[in-house]
Parts: sequence; structure tokens; C-alpha cells
Amino acid sequence: EDKVVQSPLSLVVHEGDTVTLNCSYEVTNFRSLLWYKQEKKAPTFLFMLTSSGIEKKSGRLSSILDKKELFSILNITATQTGDSAVYLCRPSGTYKYIFGTGTRLKVLA
Amino acid sequence: SQTIHQWPATLVQPVGSPLSLECTVEGTSNPNLYWYRQAAGRGLQLLFYSIGIDQISSEVPQNLSASRPQDRQFILSSKKLLLSDSGFYLCAWSVFPGQGAGGANVLTFGAGSRLTVL
Repeated sequence: EDKVVQSPLSLVVHEGDTVTLNCSYEVTNFRSLLWYKQEKKAPTFLFMLTSSGIEKKSGRLSSILDKKELFSILNITATQTGDSAVYLCRPSGTYKYIFGTGTRLKVLA
Repeated sequence: SQTIHQWPATLVQPVGSPLSLECTVEGTSNPNLYWYRQAAGRGLQLLFYSIGIDQISSEVPQNLSASRPQDRQFILSSKKLLLSDSGFYLCAWSVFPGQGAGGANVLTFGAGSRLTVL
């Protein structure tokens, strides 16, 4: 059965800190891994990773995938209060798109 | 461009009453369609997914059902709501895997429906 585990479940940091969020997965016919950010309502897409070892970057956010060890990390440097959200990962295999439980990040001013 | 509409945005229903949430997608054909539920402080739970009309898979046995009467319309229903059905319901769509480039497999979500069962 497909499985996705995210850690930590929640995290409280101060502005300027760097955080690392983890996502491990077991998915049939793995194709890609996606990260989403959820603030108040619907999740919004951040990254899609399909190859191991290639870091994707968008401003202060970066992510990398390890297809051998079946995990991905999302790094956020110089955190800001606007980064406070739930971060979700979602491995993509077949049509059944399941999400991890999410990491709730709170950034204090 | 593609858009996804979901309604109603909020509803408060008594226990035992029926439910109907509707989702439609515009600007694409043959989308994969999904219903998720999110309880307060929890992750997204996959409820149903559909890869075509009359092709609906249920992931969690419960008192909810889904239907896809048209290619771009997905409906979540219940005949009798339970207290535990309260939550935030999200409809989403994606392109059929293998079509397109780059953006394949990205889920785009509707704005969500917040259901409170009293």
C-alpha cells in the first residue's frame, strides 16, 4: 500500500532561521514528487521533482529528491512570517494521489 | 486557461441530513478528478478519484459517495451526514498522466467547501 510520511509534524521557529522538512514515501510506479504550501484554504503547488540529486530552487525555498532512499527534503532559508503554513508532499505514481500528513510551520516575528 | 469551480463555499448541516458538493472544471477535457477531506489540523485524506465518466475509485469506506455525470463535473454526496463528516472538502483536477510536459501530475485545487455538521 502506498505510504507517505512527513516530519516533523509541526515546527515553530523565529524569523531568519533555516528549516528542513522531510518527506519519505513508498509508492507504486513512482513518477515524481510534488511539494505544496497550504495557508488558509487550498494548497498551492511549489515544486515537482522527477530526478534524483537535482535541486530545485525558488527564492529561499529549495528541494531535492533521493529516489534510491525514497525521500525528499524541502529547505527554507531566512524564514519569514509569510512562510507560516502547512507544507505537504505528494508522491505521484498511478492515479491515486495521496498526500503526507503535512508539516505545520509557524514562523515568529 | 483552465479553471476549477467548487460550491458551496460553506455550509452548516444537521446530523442525518443529505449533502451535495459540486465541482466543475473548465478549459480542459478528460481531466482526472479528486475529492479530498481535511479535518481540522490534519492532512489531506483522499476520498474519491476518477479517471473518466463512470470510473470512480473510493479510497475510504464511509457514508459518502461520488458521481461524475459529465466529463468535467464531479459531485460528492451523502444521504445522511454524521458528525465526523465535518471538515474542509477540496476538489482537484490534474491532466491525464503522460499528457503535456512539465506540469503533468500537478493537482489544481478548487477553493474548498467548509462543512460543519451539528
